[in-house]
Order: sequence, then structure tokens, then C-alpha cells
Amino acid sequence: GENVGLHLPTLSVQEGDNSIINCAYSNSASDYFIWYKQESGKGPQFIIDIRSNMDKRQGQRVTVLLNKTVKHLSLQIAATQPGDSAVYFCAENFDDMRFGAGTRLTVKP
Amino acid sequence: DAGITQSPRHKVTETGTPVTLRCHQTENHRYMYWYRQDPGHGLRLIHYSYGVKDTDKGEVSDGYSVSRSKTEDFLLTLESATSSQTSVYFCAISESGPGGFSYEQYFGPGTRLTVT
Repeated sequence: GENVGLHLPTLSVQEGDNSIINCAYSNSASDYFIWYKQESGKGPQFIIDIRSNMDKRQGQRVTVLLNKTVKHLSLQIAATQPGDSAVYFCAENFDDMRFGAGTRLTVKP
Repeated sequence: DAGITQSPRHKVTETGTPVTLRCHQTENHRYMYWYRQDPGHGLRLIHYSYGVKDTDKGEVSDGYSVSRSKTEDFLLTLESATSSQTSVYFCAISESGPGGFSYEQYFGPGTRLTVT
């Protein structure tokens, strides 16, 4: 299950720093959003979700922010670790779930 | 992988041959989905099922068919494989459908299909 992602945006951070991954979604009527993590050779893994009636939701070391005014979603990862290296992508739901291509996060030790 | 298995995990086949991929879940979730993932693209929905024998088309359904005879199994068939169907295929499950309370989708490990 590799996302080869030859042209994916990339983000490189130092271990221990905070990471912010951004996503612009397409439909102002989308009512539900998910962030996924995909490691090389594996299927996407659910990280956190948020509904459109919320601006912020926190999980373990992760926070999702939703700005409906500009149709923007972000994922913040606190104290990034080498195990966080992966492709991260967002999904939005309108009539069905639509997925972005993702951002490749690389964590430098 | 949330109790989802896919088989085979890898397959190489020739153009024009039929291919069937299997997805099996142990979560008893009502909804099941087939996606394909290609470089530079997000996951794209091929077909989905909202119950036994209940299926519907997704964004990229041409050349694919599906069947669901049991809650736990969802089959994807490429009726006559073409090189454009070379891709990584993911199965996903969710407890509820769009608008439902538990709509988050959980994915299997994927099947890498190469059509030569």
C-alpha cells in the first residue's frame, strides 16, 4: 500500500519539534473531516476526525483545526517522533468521502 | 488494520484476464468500500456496499464489478484487466454511512495489482 507520491508536498522536521500539516478542502458544504496517516507499504490509518460544527479537536499528541471560512484543515503533531514519518492526508465528506493526495512528513533524528 | 484482511496482497496478471480481489472483515460493519490509490492522486472510490447484496458505484467504477454475499466479504472483480488498472487497491469499512455517527473508515493493508 505505498503511496509513491512522486510529487507530494513534503515537510521535514527535527525530532521533538512540532509539525503542522495543512489541507485545503474543496466543498464548503462538507460536514465531516478525517486525517489519516499512511506508512510505506501499509494501509491508511485513522488519526483523528472533526465535524463541521467544531473548530478544534484534540487527541493524543495531535490537534486538528478547522477553518471553514477559508476551507482549511490542519493537523498539528506535538513533539514529533521518528515513528511519525509517513504520508498524511485529509478526507472530507459531502455526499461521499473525498481524499487528498497528502503530504510526506520526514522526521530527522 | 481494524480486523480487515485483503487477498491476495500482490498479484501480477496479463491484460484481458479477469481478476478478483477479496476483502474480509471481522468487525461486522455494515459499509464496505473499494478504493484505488495511484501516485499523485488521493484515494478514489470504485464501489461501495451498504449491506449484503446492496452495492453502488463510486467515482471510478468503469471496468469493475463487486459482490457482497455475506456481511464479512466484499469482492472486487476486474472483468478484463487493462494496464490502466495497475494500482494499489484498498478495502475500507465503516459502521455507518455518510452523515452517520460512526462514519470513519478503516482500511485494510492493500493489494498491489500489476497488469502487464
